[in-house]
Amino acid sequence: EAGVTQFPSHSVIEKGQTVTLRCDPISGHDNLYWYRRVMGKEIKFLLHFVKESKQDESGMPNNRFLAERTGGTYSTLKVQPAELEDSGVYFCASSQGFTGRTYEQYFGPGTRLTVT
Amino acid sequence: RKEVEQDPGPFNVPEGATVAFNCTYSNSASQSFFWYRQDCRKEPKLLMSVYSSGNEDGRFTAQLNRASQYISLLIRDSKLSDSATYLCVAHPRDYGQNFVFGPGTRLSVLP
Repeated sequence: EAGVTQFPSHSVIEKGQTVTLRCDPISGHDNLYWYRRVMGKEIKFLLHFVKESKQDESGMPNNRFLAERTGGTYSTLKVQPAELEDSGVYFCASSQGFTGRTYEQYFGPGTRLTVT
Repeated sequence: RKEVEQDPGPFNVPEGATVAFNCTYSNSASQSFFWYRQDCRKEPKLLMSVYSSGNEDGRFTAQLNRASQYISLLIRDSKLSDSATYLCVAHPRDYGQNFVFGPGTRLSVLP
C-alpha cells in the first residue's frame, strides 16, 4: 500500500512569491491533516479535512495560507504571498474514518520550504 | 506551559541498555496517545499507540498514567538503529481533532 506522498520535497522561493504544496493521502483515508515544523519548534497542527470539508482550520496562521481538497482526494496548501517566517517543513498526514485504528495518523515525507 | 512536554535530551546510551522517556500532558481531556519516532530530516513514523493503560510491542513498552498525566516509553536492549528523536503525541477526546506534539526526546545509542 502506498503511503502519503508530498510534492515538492523542497522549495526555495523569494519573499512575496507564491508556493503551492501538494499532498496525496493514503488511498481510502477520509482524514487529511496539514502540519508545520519551523526551526527549533515542535510540529504544529494547521488544519484537518474530512473528505473535502474543512473540519478544523484553527491552526492556520493567517489568511496567506489557503488549503483545498477538491473531490476529497489530494490536497493543496498555497502560501501567497510567502514571508520569511513561513520557512519550515510542511507535513501532511492521513488517517482512516470511524473504523479500525481511527486516530492513527500516517505522515508524508514533508515539503521543506525556504523563503529567502 | 506547553500542552505536551518532554525532556529534549539527548540521551546517550550504550547498545543493549534500557532507556525510558517520560512525557507529560496538560489537557486532561486527552484520550489517546502515541509515540512516533523521527529520524533526521525524515517524517514522523508511528511507533506505538496508547489507548488504555499501556501497550507493549517487542522491545518497546508504553505506559499511561492518567492520574498524573504522563506517558512513558521504555526501550529494552537498545539497538544502534533506535537512535532517533521520539515524539510524544496527545490526541483530544473528539474524533478527528488534531494531534498535539511534544518537542521530542533525542536518543543516541552508542556502540
